[in-house]
Amino acid sequence: DAGVTQSPTHLIKTRGQQVTLRCSPKSGHDTVSWYQQALGQGPQFIFQYYEEEERQRGNFPDRFSGHQFPNYSSELNVNALLLGDSALYLCASSPRGGRQETQYFGPGTRLLVL
Amino acid sequence: QQQVKQSPQSLIVQKGGISIINCAYENTAFDYFPWYQQFPGKGPALLIAIRPDVSEKKEGRFTISFNKSAKQFSLHIMDSQPGDSATYFCAASTGGSSASKIIFGSGTRLSIRP
Repeated sequence: DAGVTQSPTHLIKTRGQQVTLRCSPKSGHDTVSWYQQALGQGPQFIFQYYEEEERQRGNFPDRFSGHQFPNYSSELNVNALLLGDSALYLCASSPRGGRQETQYFGPGTRLLVL
Repeated sequence: QQQVKQSPQSLIVQKGGISIINCAYENTAFDYFPWYQQFPGKGPALLIAIRPDVSEKKEGRFTISFNKSAKQFSLHIMDSQPGDSATYFCAASTGGSSASKIIFGSGTRLSIRP
């Protein structure tokens, strides 16, 4: 079992650019959540996808958008990048109907905006 | 209301000592209180969790103490080892399912001195 995988591992962008991050959930999981973890802070919930739709959203601007594919993998898109978007972006997967302890996190994508 | 406050920000403990990290919350709707361990370059991994119907949960050297009336909970690491050096996050969620978003504390960087 490969667990939750994310790509790329690291990324450098400049202000104003757009970025796409990818997540493959753990086998058997169909729900994907995205979190942003700024340096020295705890992760903050961005949004959650299942059945290819956004189901919950945290306090993030519309510049942050996502997508879920039929195979349950997911993308996080960030437009018009700001310096403050520099962070570790974490993907967590879980099975629908599972208990809270069944959420597993991937290793993250570290984004640096210059 | 959605915050989870964590202290201390950093902690140094001698090998074999007890590490104690504290958290407080406001939202009485939270029904699940996990602790996550995060090593550099990795995503958070669930360490131990408790629900508000019990006051203590122990798994090996790790114990959660939960005080529902005070809205506080803490992690105790007994016989702390150098391999325990990591960042620890308390967290909380509501809804009882794997679809529940997780609210994280700000983290405690724990260093165990040999």
